[in-house]
Amino acid sequence: GQNIDQPTEMTATEGAIVQINCTYQTSGFNGLFWYQQHAGEAPTFLSYNVLDGLEEKGRFSSFLSRSKGYSYLLLKELQMKDSASYLCAPMDSNYQLIWGAGTKLIIKP
Amino acid sequence: GAVVSQHPSRVICKSGTSVKIECRSLDFQATTMFWYRQFPKQSLMLMATSNEGSKATYEQGVEKDKFLINHASLTLSTLTVTSAHPEDSSFYICSALQGIFYEQYFGPGTRLTVT
Repeated sequence: GQNIDQPTEMTATEGAIVQINCTYQTSGFNGLFWYQQHAGEAPTFLSYNVLDGLEEKGRFSSFLSRSKGYSYLLLKELQMKDSASYLCAPMDSNYQLIWGAGTKLIIKP
Repeated sequence: GAVVSQHPSRVICKSGTSVKIECRSLDFQATTMFWYRQFPKQSLMLMATSNEGSKATYEQGVEKDKFLINHASLTLSTLTVTSAHPEDSSFYICSALQGIFYEQYFGPGTRLTVT
C-alpha cells in the first residue's frame, strides 16, 4: 500500500534550524512535494524534488533519497510565522499526490 | 503566478439545501483540477479529479451524485454539495495542476457548516 510517515509534532526555537523527516512508500514515484499549511488555511507549495539530492530555496531546503524512500525539509533561521503544519506528499505513478497528516511545527521564542 | 481562488470562503447552510463552491485559476489555464476535503487535524482527502470537458473521476467512497463537479472551462471548476447534511461540514479545498512538474496550487479553501 501507499504510506507516509512523518513526526506528528515538533518544537523548535526562533532563530534555530529544524529538520522534518519523511519516509514514504508509493506505487511508482514521480517526485515528492513539500507543502506548508497554516491552521485553517489551504496548503501552499514549498518545494519539489524528483532527483536525489538537496534543493535549496532561501531559508528552506529539501532533500530526497529515492532508494531509501526518504526526504527531509530543512528550515533555517526559524521565524514565528513558520509555525505551521508541513506536509510531505510523494506523487505516485498516476501523478496523484499521496498525503499524510503532516508535521505540526511549533516555534517558541 | 499560479493563483487559485475559491468562492465562497465560508458558507453556512441548512440541512437539505445545496451549496455550490467555485474554483478559479486566475493567471493560468488548468486542464486538471482537484477537489479535497479536510476534517480538523486530519490529512487532505482527495475527493475527485476534474478534467476540463470531461466527467470527473471520483475517489472510492465519494458519492458522485452528492458531490457534483463541473469543469466547464480551463479556468473554472465547481463543486456542488447536494442535499447537505451536518456530516458534510468540512473544509473543502480545490487545487489546480500547473507546471511541468505537476505541482498543485491550492485555492484558499471553503469552510462549509451545515446546520
